[in-house]
Amino acid sequence: DQQVKQNSPSLSVQEGRISILNCDYTNSMFDYFLWYKKYPAEGPTFLISISSIKDKNEDGRFTVFLNKSAKHLSLHIVPSQPGDSAVYFCAASTSNDYKLSFGAGTTVTVRA
Amino acid sequence: EAGVTQFPSHSVIEKGQTVTLRCDPISGHDNLYWYRRVMGKEIKFLLHFVKESKQDESGMPNNRFLAERTGGTYSTLKVQPAELEDSGVYFCASSQVGHRYNEQFFGPGTRLTVL
Repeated sequence: DQQVKQNSPSLSVQEGRISILNCDYTNSMFDYFLWYKKYPAEGPTFLISISSIKDKNEDGRFTVFLNKSAKHLSLHIVPSQPGDSAVYFCAASTSNDYKLSFGAGTTVTVRA
Repeated sequence: EAGVTQFPSHSVIEKGQTVTLRCDPISGHDNLYWYRRVMGKEIKFLLHFVKESKQDESGMPNNRFLAERTGGTYSTLKVQPAELEDSGVYFCASSQVGHRYNEQFFGPGTRLTVL
């Protein structure tokens, strides 16, 4: 009953180009969405979030887009840098609780 | 400010043995969470403490798992007896009390291998 899905396990992008990561969800009660970034042997760290009352949130090189009707969100990284190479997790929560539901992650590799 | 710490970083045990994982949250964080990632799959929620009280334990797989948070500080997660499918990385996270939008800070995880 995985409610958050990241269908692309990996993404390879050239340095300086755009990285686009996708995430789909099934639970219509989700109203808060987050992206976490994880390096090997470390825990996930918060990257950016978006509330369901918005359709876009931007923070520097990172922009998250939310399409509620399609139950889809995406993360854009522009321009991609070598330090962006990591696993990116999409996560969501409902208004009823604090727990996060995560996707399986997308491994991003930025090529020089 | 120290982050969330977890001990041990790795644990290898035989099926049927007992293992206890420890998590020390960020000082002052009343919310403490346990999550697990199995074999490169999604990170799954296990349970949520507010201080010493279990707020939500809907993700605990079965009664072989016991989580405690005595005194509302550090937490332990005991697996007894361990089974092969318990292998994975166990993450602990903490957040400040208040709004659920408060960021959850994750520890580096404990990699558990059950042979």
